[in-house]
Amino acid sequence: DIQMTQSPSSLSASVGDRVTITCRASQSITNYLNWYQQKPGKAPKVLIYAASSLQSGVPSRFSGSGSGTDFTLTISSLQPEDFAMYYCQQSYSTPRTFGQGTKVEIK
Amino acid sequence: QVQLQESGPGLVKTSETLSLTCIVSGGSINGYYWSWIRQPAGKGLEWIGRFYTSGSTNYNPSLKSRVTMAVDTSKNQFFLSLNSVTAADTAVYYCAREVNYDSSGRYFDYWGQGTLVTVAS
Repeated sequence: DIQMTQSPSSLSASVGDRVTITCRASQSITNYLNWYQQKPGKAPKVLIYAASSLQSGVPSRFSGSGSGTDFTLTISSLQPEDFAMYYCQQSYSTPRTFGQGTKVEIK
Repeated sequence: QVQLQESGPGLVKTSETLSLTCIVSGGSINGYYWSWIRQPAGKGLEWIGRFYTSGSTNYNPSLKSRVTMAVDTSKNQFFLSLNSVTAADTAVYYCAREVNYDSSGRYFDYWGQGTLVTVAS
């Protein structure tokens, strides 16, 4: 199985801050990396697919980068509705695996 | 707009079989991969497995011996069966559609709202 490791596990930030979350795969997954946002009591929602492609309807303040084993999700200017859990997920192979999640909290 | 809705018992007894249904509306079930994913309270996401409507399946090796997935294309619904459950199987269970954006790449674009299944004696 491909292990996905996110860092940090949690972070505190203020509205307007630039936030960066990293995800590392245990082997190369080329660009088969997706990012999801999950709010309490809700299903995850895709933000970024193929490492850097913005899902339709997702605000442009979200961006993704990386390839191989190292990836980054950036929120350029944190908004109140962005406080949530974020997960990376690889689609390079089965079993599909997710990072352990990063909780973005209000400072 | 595609919608997914999970249903099934909220409580399953230890050692018995967990059975869930996912009903797909607003689109055809044919031509896609459909997955089950679970999430224990306060924890991360675990992929259980998937099937393609042609009949092929992939299961997570950690659960493979206990999992069966099936589909009823005539009713646009699919099923999860997990046997010999223990308290460790207590989780919110999601069904999700996996869509491809190129020949190999995929992501989960539609999810059900999730259903909590508690395993207890």
